[in-house]
Amino acid sequence: EPEVTQTPSHQVTQMGQEVILRCVPISNHLYFYWYRQILGQKVEFLVSFYNNEISEKSEIFDDQFSVERPDGSNFTLKIRSTKLEDSAMYFCASRTGVSDGYTFGSGTRLTVV
Amino acid sequence: KQEVTQIPAALSVPEGENLVLNCSFTDSAIYNLQWFRQDPGKGLTSLLLIQSSQREQTSGRLNASLDKSSGRSTLYIAASQPGDSATYLCALSGGYNKLIFGAGTRLAVHP
Repeated sequence: EPEVTQTPSHQVTQMGQEVILRCVPISNHLYFYWYRQILGQKVEFLVSFYNNEISEKSEIFDDQFSVERPDGSNFTLKIRSTKLEDSAMYFCASRTGVSDGYTFGSGTRLTVV
Repeated sequence: KQEVTQIPAALSVPEGENLVLNCSFTDSAIYNLQWFRQDPGKGLTSLLLIQSSQREQTSGRLNASLDKSSGRSTLYIAASQPGDSATYLCALSGGYNKLIFGAGTRLAVHP
């Protein structure tokens, strides 16, 4: 069964550093998403991406965050200057169309120290 | 603003029991509802997708129902097994974009 692949599985970074989280969505999917889950809390929406542009973003997704689909397969989330409160599990997801289910990757655990 | 609530927050049962996990939502204008399983420290595994025109979906020992008029969905797990121990998440899609998640039900099935 096709999978959404995320790398790395775990990243530790110093406060103030830039990080890039990488995702390879399922190849025929058209809608791409990033979510995050702070330990012990709900899964929260960050951003959705369709047709090479952001279609919606949450209040969390401020100027520190950016997304990019640099080629036909990768989808990246960049955090420019990490803060302690950015420590969370970050999930990438994709789906074919708006009435289809989401497929999530296994996540990247980001730890900011 | 859509709110998703899952009850109970945690459940511990002996192996073999049939279970019902509940999900309620405040806005019935949804595209679909998806149930996920999350093991500790892991990703989200999709269990069942119910589109807004459907009333229920079944997969093996799992059955999910959707009643948009009352703002409720239930996940029924038949003959529970220790391997079913995980957190079960209910999530709603209201359109093009985001899924809105409940806080989950943490299930422990003991032998």
